[in-house]
Amino acid sequence: EPEVTQTPSHQVTQMGQEVILRCVPISNHLYFYWYRQILGQKVEFLVSFYNNEISEKSEIFDDQFSVERPDGSNFTLKIRSTKLEDSAMYFCASSEQGLYSPLHFGNGTRLTVT
Amino acid sequence: KQEVTQIPAALSVPEGENLVLNCSFTDSAIYNLQWFRQDPGKGLTSLLLIQSSQREQTSGRLNASLDKSSGRSTLYIAASQPGDSATYLCAGLGNPGGGADGLTFGKGTHLIIQP
Repeated sequence: EPEVTQTPSHQVTQMGQEVILRCVPISNHLYFYWYRQILGQKVEFLVSFYNNEISEKSEIFDDQFSVERPDGSNFTLKIRSTKLEDSAMYFCASSEQGLYSPLHFGNGTRLTVT
Repeated sequence: KQEVTQIPAALSVPEGENLVLNCSFTDSAIYNLQWFRQDPGKGLTSLLLIQSSQREQTSGRLNASLDKSSGRSTLYIAASQPGDSATYLCAGLGNPGGGADGLTFGKGTHLIIQP
């Protein structure tokens, strides 16, 4: 069964550094998302992306964050200057028909900011 | 703003029992609701998606219901097995086009099925 893949599985970075989290969505999916889960807390929506542009973003997704689909298969989340509170599990998700179909999640990237 | 609550936070039952997980949401203008399963160190696996026009969805031993008027959804697991042990998350989608593309998640129910 096709799946969403994320790399790396674990990333450690120092405060103030830039990180790029990578995702390969399911190939025929057109809608892409990033969510995050701080340890012990709820999964939170960050951003949705369709047709090469952001559809919607949450309050969490401030100017430090950006997303990109650099080619036909990858979808990336960049954090420009990481803060301690950015430490979390970041999940990429994709869906075939946006809001009308189930979301398929990757296994996540655990980001640790020291 | 949509809030999603799941009760209980944790549940441990013997193998073979039928069980119900509960989810409540504050905004009845919910567009759809999904149930997910999360295994330790893994991503979320979509189990069932209920559109707002539907009352329930079934997949194998799982049945999910949606009652918008009462702000509730339930996930029924029949004949539970040890492999069902996981955290079950409920997530609601608000009104699309109203700035609500993202799912609002509950904190989950941590389920343990005792062999």
